[in-house]
Amino acid sequence: GAGVSQSPSNKVTEKGKDVELRCDPISGHTALYWYRQRLGQGLEFLIYFQGNSAPDKSGLPSDRFSAERTGESVSTLTIQRTQQEDSAVYLCASSSAAYPLAERGETQYFGPGTRLLVL
Amino acid sequence: GQNIDQPTEMTATEGAIVQINCTYQTSGFNGLFWYQQHAGEAPTFLSYNVLDGLEEKGRFSSFLSRSKGYSYLLLKELQMKDSASYLCAVRAYNAGNMLTFGGGTRLMVKP
Repeated sequence: GAGVSQSPSNKVTEKGKDVELRCDPISGHTALYWYRQRLGQGLEFLIYFQGNSAPDKSGLPSDRFSAERTGESVSTLTIQRTQQEDSAVYLCASSSAAYPLAERGETQYFGPGTRLLVL
Repeated sequence: GQNIDQPTEMTATEGAIVQINCTYQTSGFNGLFWYQQHAGEAPTFLSYNVLDGLEEKGRFSSFLSRSKGYSYLLLKELQMKDSASYLCAVRAYNAGNMLTFGGGTRLMVKP
């Protein structure tokens, strides 16, 4: 497709269950990012994939969170043993630029997000 | 790490001009971005500054002063559809291509 897609668009789960969120980046984009956005708040960085390099997991809030990416395509974010505080919108973004192409103003393109509600 | 501050909320009148400020502290500054996010939607890119000065794009302009760690987004001829959150984000050399976002400024445009 033309843009970043994410699935599911909405997910309601019970506390303690595992959930898996999927992101399809723009074709050819080497960089992929996951963010979390709680209601009325800014974006919280979770994890960053760049090509075949080891991912930057510095933003993952706990070991219940993990993410994988197959090559330069699909990524999945998994949350194990979900807690109510995990309720948020999970946004995926991709970009074509590898550091340091900042002078081109390479930007990130966001998907529509997955709205997760943990009951 | 980076620290980014912007006002939480602003209100302005249709047809007026509004300036949304963003201040940041970072090492290895490598660009500042502004995004617009309508309620329930994903952020969309508005502007990018890496050098000092003003970048104009239609009704929207963005200014950067690297020495002051300061940027603003200027919206002219406000329209009701401009009601949204405006996110300031900073990129730094020591953080690869990652962006660190501020909390966003929720702008309400009134008739």
